Amino acid sequence: GAVVSQHPSRVICKSGTSVKIECRSLDFQATTMFWYRQFPKQSLMLMATSNEGSKATYEQGVEKDKFLINHASLTLSTLTVTSAHPEDSSFYICSARDSFGVGSYNSPLHFGNGTRLTVT
Amino acid sequence: AQSVTQLGSHVSVSEGALVLLRCNYSSSVPPYLFWYVQYPNQGLQLLLKYTTGATLVKGINGFEAEFKKSETSFHLTKPSAHMSDAAEYFCAVNYGGSQGNLIFGKGTKLSVKP
Repeated sequence: GAVVSQHPSRVICKSGTSVKIECRSLDFQATTMFWYRQFPKQSLMLMATSNEGSKATYEQGVEKDKFLINHASLTLSTLTVTSAHPEDSSFYICSARDSFGVGSYNSPLHFGNGTRLTVT
Repeated sequence: AQSVTQLGSHVSVSEGALVLLRCNYSSSVPPYLFWYVQYPNQGLQLLLKYTTGATLVKGINGFEAEFKKSETSFHLTKPSAHMSDAAEYFCAVNYGGSQGNLIFGKGTKLSVKP
């Protein structure tokens, strides 16, 4: 089945530093990937939609200069949390859909295992 | 606004008992419907989905869900709970937006008592 690899699974960083999270589709190509943030005991909140070869689309209230997204290839999207602060500590999850499979438009999203970010 | 409602943030059942997790969506146009399961500190895994066709959908791990248009519901059930079913369950809908994004419910945590 389709696999999305997200790395790292856990990261601890100091306030003011930047952290990069990678999301890779291992056996399929994805023109679109999604980045979510999950607060404790809450649902996933979509942060942005990452588009291969173009700018990401950010949801209302998400700072695009703080959460930099790069979708350089059909199998890789990265999320960089710049100048991290303790309030950025959260669980970040990416997802992707096989862009070229049969009936791909409404095929399920495949999720990475998430990244637990702790900013001290 | 389009939304997904999961009734009950926490459901507790005994091992072997029926599992029923409720999900209602708000739309006059039937969306595409999904149930995902999340284990601690992991991403989401697809349990089952409804797009078109048969309204009773069977998924992995013995779960199934029935799409009821008249009730705008897509409740998840399993006849007999297992300890390994303890997890967070999310109902999600795709209203067919330009990029097919999912809208998630707030999740229901399922606890299974021995």
